[in-house]
Amino acid sequence: DAGVIQSPRHEVTEMGQEVTLRCKPISGHNSLFWYRQTMMRGLELLIYFNNNVPIDDSGMPEDRFSAKMPNASFSTLKIQPSEPRDSAVYFCASNLRDRGYTIYFGEGSWLTVV
Amino acid sequence: AQSVTQPDIHITVSEGASLELRCNYSYGATPYLFWYVQSPGQGLQLLLKYFSGDTLVQGIKGFEAEFKRSQSSFNLRKPSVHWSDAAEYFCAVGGGNKLVFGAGTILRVKS
Repeated sequence: DAGVIQSPRHEVTEMGQEVTLRCKPISGHNSLFWYRQTMMRGLELLIYFNNNVPIDDSGMPEDRFSAKMPNASFSTLKIQPSEPRDSAVYFCASNLRDRGYTIYFGEGSWLTVV
Repeated sequence: AQSVTQPDIHITVSEGASLELRCNYSYGATPYLFWYVQSPGQGLQLLLKYFSGDTLVQGIKGFEAEFKRSQSSFNLRKPSVHWSDAAEYFCAVGGGNKLVFGAGTILRVKS
């Protein structure tokens, strides 16, 4: 089975540009999570969706960040405008909520804002 | 709110030696506990999980972990470490469909 698929794997962008990260969860999973990983703060949950509906976005750092899940097989995390402090690895993860809490991670999107 | 503490930032062990990585959690209800491993440049891979039942759980790659409610701990063990085990290990506690991760422990294996 295909795992969680993220794109792009690597992105280098200039400060002020818009960045869009994409995620395709595992087919049949009904929860999707966006995490950010940095050296300073470790793994932080940014937002998660159940059945395409955002449930908890308290981890989204500020209004420059937004996430959408238009359907069960696709989600985006957008940063506009981007800043150097947004440089991090962004992980998408998914699970089947009714089957417990095991969350499966994608390979991550490595973002560098210069 | 749940929280996880991994007290060791780095651990170095010799190849073939035994390993124990510590994890303490805080959670008001029965916790769901996980260990993930992350190799450099990779995502997180699930090693093992505890939901209920037997407090000693077996995972992939020869790892096991023991849930001790009285100590609020879920330590990860392996009897004999291989060089390929060098990676960063994360303990996590789940509740309400959210996972909270510890800061991670970087394992170095010396030959």
